[in-house]
Amino acid sequence: NAGVMQNPRHLVRRRGQEARLRCSPMKGHSHVYWYRQLPEEGLKFMVYLQKENIIDESGMPKERFSAEFPKEGPSILRIQQVVRGDSAAYFCASTTGSGTTDTQYFGPGTRLTVL
Amino acid sequence: AQKVTQAQTEISVVEKEDVTLDCVYETRDTTYYLFWYKQPPSGELVFLIRRNSFDEQNEISGRYSWNFQKSTSSFNFTITASQVVDSAVYFCALSSFPASGTYKYIFGTGTRLKVLA
Repeated sequence: NAGVMQNPRHLVRRRGQEARLRCSPMKGHSHVYWYRQLPEEGLKFMVYLQKENIIDESGMPKERFSAEFPKEGPSILRIQQVVRGDSAAYFCASTTGSGTTDTQYFGPGTRLTVL
Repeated sequence: AQKVTQAQTEISVVEKEDVTLDCVYETRDTTYYLFWYKQPPSGELVFLIRRNSFDEQNEISGRYSWNFQKSTSSFNFTITASQVVDSAVYFCALSSFPASGTYKYIFGTGTRLKVLA
């Protein structure tokens, strides 16, 4: 049973380019969370999605960041016009969505470097 | 507001020593979950344990043990007879039962453990 998959594992972008990060949840999981880990810091919640729905995006920067989780395919975190401050590790986690008893299982992360 | 504090930024021990990583949390919710994750140098997050707020029994898993004390809002993690492979950053996290329905995790800033041979 494959775990949460994220790709790419490492992504290098120049300032002003777009970054697209992909997350495939565990089999049977229909809920996805995205977190960001800045260097030497803990993870910070960004957005929570179910299939075709954004449930909570209270942790997302207001500009340049967007997320989606289509009916088919992986969840995508998109960062437009990247800046150096976007350099971080981005983790996604998936759950079955059944509620408080869920444990979030994390992917290996995508490390974004903005030059 | 919810908060998780891991006051120890970095700890170094010699192999075979016991080490305790501290975690103090804040929440107004009566139902909540506490977690520990390990982040080895390779960068992934490895789930270690989940504990709900109604279960204060301590847990032991091999060389790992966890001490949950509601009275002091702490959920400490002890590694017995540490090994070099235990070297990693360890994160404590909190999740509660919010009206919004979003069970997002609140992470501490992590404790970097270095086990020296």
